[in-house]
Amino acid sequence: DADVTQTPRNRITKTGKRIMLECSQTKGHDRMYWYRQDPGLGLRLIYYSFDVKDINKGEISDGYSVSRQAQAKFSLSLESAIPNQIALYFCATSDSGRGYNEQFFGPGTRLTVL
Amino acid sequence: AQTVTQSQPEMSVQEAETVTLSCTYDTSESDYYLFWYKQPPSRQMILVIRQEAYKQQNATENRFSVNFQKAAKSFSLKISDSQLGDAAMYFCAYRRQGGSEKLVFGKGMKLTVNP
Repeated sequence: DADVTQTPRNRITKTGKRIMLECSQTKGHDRMYWYRQDPGLGLRLIYYSFDVKDINKGEISDGYSVSRQAQAKFSLSLESAIPNQIALYFCATSDSGRGYNEQFFGPGTRLTVL
Repeated sequence: AQTVTQSQPEMSVQEAETVTLSCTYDTSESDYYLFWYKQPPSRQMILVIRQEAYKQQNATENRFSVNFQKAAKSFSLKISDSQLGDAAMYFCAYRRQGGSEKLVFGKGMKLTVNP
């Protein structure tokens, strides 16, 4: 079983719709992240959370919001989807107790906005 | 702000040969980590190798090794005995110690392995 799971794997929505992407992990890690991958741009950080009560904006948070429902769950919402949010979205986790804090990635969610 | 540059968008290598992927970065920090991630067509991000900036010894993981030049801010990945399964996008990434600990990624490089 995958340690970091994302649902759905693919999502097609219409402009203006609100959608939620979900991430859950069984690794017991305290830190969770949401990244966005655009072709030719690598991955960029949207939001990150060091624990349930600690949520912070990343470099491209406009148009997004997050919820850390539990240590194992971190959801990303697009309040009103627009075509320039078409991308591959990754959730990642890490353990603050380990020196190098390796980030483990989920399988990604491909989002299409019509 | 930290930046990571992968100047070669694509490379190819013959199976069983050796290939080196280049990466440079810019930072004013002295304590940080560097990573190479592999992204096959399945799109899963897989950690290949990591390097702590305070370590002078270059990291090695089986057929994968790095050449870390801290003064030059260079972090290249060498793949020995290339295999068909090595074909993927490769991303160089930087993470500073502390703060958000976000990963800063390069734009990636597509590696093709020819049989």
